[in-house]
Amino acid sequence: GENVEQHPSTLSVQEGDSAVIKCTYSDSASNYFPWYKQELGKRPQLIIDIRSNVGEKKDQRIAVTLNKTAKHFSLHITETQPEDSAVYFCAASRTTSGTYKYIFGTGTRLKVLA
Amino acid sequence: EAGVAQSPRYKIIEKRQSVAFWCNPISGHATLYWYQQILGQGPKLLIQFQNNGVVDDSQLPKDRFSAERLKGVDSTLKIQPAKLEDSAVYLCASSPIPGQRNTIYFGEGSWLTVV
Repeated sequence: GENVEQHPSTLSVQEGDSAVIKCTYSDSASNYFPWYKQELGKRPQLIIDIRSNVGEKKDQRIAVTLNKTAKHFSLHITETQPEDSAVYFCAASRTTSGTYKYIFGTGTRLKVLA
Repeated sequence: EAGVAQSPRYKIIEKRQSVAFWCNPISGHATLYWYQQILGQGPKLLIQFQNNGVVDDSQLPKDRFSAERLKGVDSTLKIQPAKLEDSAVYLCASSPIPGQRNTIYFGEGSWLTVV
């Protein structure tokens, strides 16, 4: 079935370093790829997204890249700060039957060490 | 803009008891999702509604889980009887119709502990 693989499951970086999280999807009809940040006990919050007609998108310290041919996309966080510590989820989405279908990755727990 | 509302936030029940969770999506959002998130895992879709019709319930354990969205607005997810492995956060989410920005918005979640 359709799935999204996400790696690594945990990631520890020193404050100020960069962090990269990678996802691979199986459904070639996916055309929208959001990333969510979930702090402990809180709802997942959208932090950045990218559509299939774009290869890269940047928003301050975070960026997302998409390789449609290889069916993978990555989240890049530069100059990490302690408040970046959270669980990050990727998702692949497509339109079907007049609605959106989302498949989520398994999550990456990022720890930024001060 | 008001967000997705869920209640109760926390619930502890004994196994074999029943529980119901309520969700009110963002106004005007046609699609409503119920996800189960077990600690340390990603959200897993239980059921997806488009207005008041079911789009996908392939991963809903229908022998114990049920959900409805009678008037195409708010929704209720019920578990009866509960099992220990149902302990999880139940996330409700909504999204607008295709053609608008297809971002999914989550509620705060309902934390269920089955003892």
